[in-house]
Amino acid sequence: DQQVKQNSPSLSVQEGRISILNCDYTNSMFDYFLWYKKYPAEGPTFLISISSIKDKNEDGRFTVFLNKSAKHLSLHIVPSQPGDSAVYFCAARKYNFNKFYFGSGTKLNVKP
Amino acid sequence: DVKVTQSSRYLVKRTGEKVFLECVQDMDHENMFWYRQDPGLGLRLIYFSYDVKMKEKGDIPEGYSVSREKKERFSLILESASTNQTSMYLCASSEGQGMGEQYFGPGTRLTVT
Repeated sequence: DQQVKQNSPSLSVQEGRISILNCDYTNSMFDYFLWYKKYPAEGPTFLISISSIKDKNEDGRFTVFLNKSAKHLSLHIVPSQPGDSAVYFCAARKYNFNKFYFGSGTKLNVKP
Repeated sequence: DVKVTQSSRYLVKRTGEKVFLECVQDMDHENMFWYRQDPGLGLRLIYFSYDVKMKEKGDIPEGYSVSREKKERFSLILESASTNQTSMYLCASSEGQGMGEQYFGPGTRLTVT
């Protein structure tokens, strides 16, 4: 039973526009959320995180929004660049637990 | 910079062979993890370890075992490889309990024929 879900397997966006990647979770005990980016034949790399005490965290072109009541988080990339084309995974963990739960990933394609 | 290395990028093994996948991290992290990544299924946790000689089963431990004799090294063992274990295997490490992220190795693409 997947506790973290990414319902869109793929997303295509024009360069310069906004990319919005979505993630839903079911476990209300999750208190820390992360986004990872993965290029083919490479391991995932950490992108941005958010604690449950916040509803927004921003880092350059990347912003993560957390809606705890809806158990939903989203990653906004503005403006999108061709180099952003990758698979994006969201992940969640419970406080003081070392285990992360990952979504199935969304493949983002940014067209020049 | 944290570095997580995996012994092989690509591996081809025959059904029934014993397979060892090695992972080494250089940041003195307490926690180490083994995942497999399959299309449409994301990253699924096989085993993790929060200390030397300690291990815990993840979501899909069947057919796998692990070994952690030293803090920096975490090995994944396929006792008798099967074709359904063909996958991308990813190792990760993280600091002790707290709000830290996991750092991943480059992955090993294992094909079992």
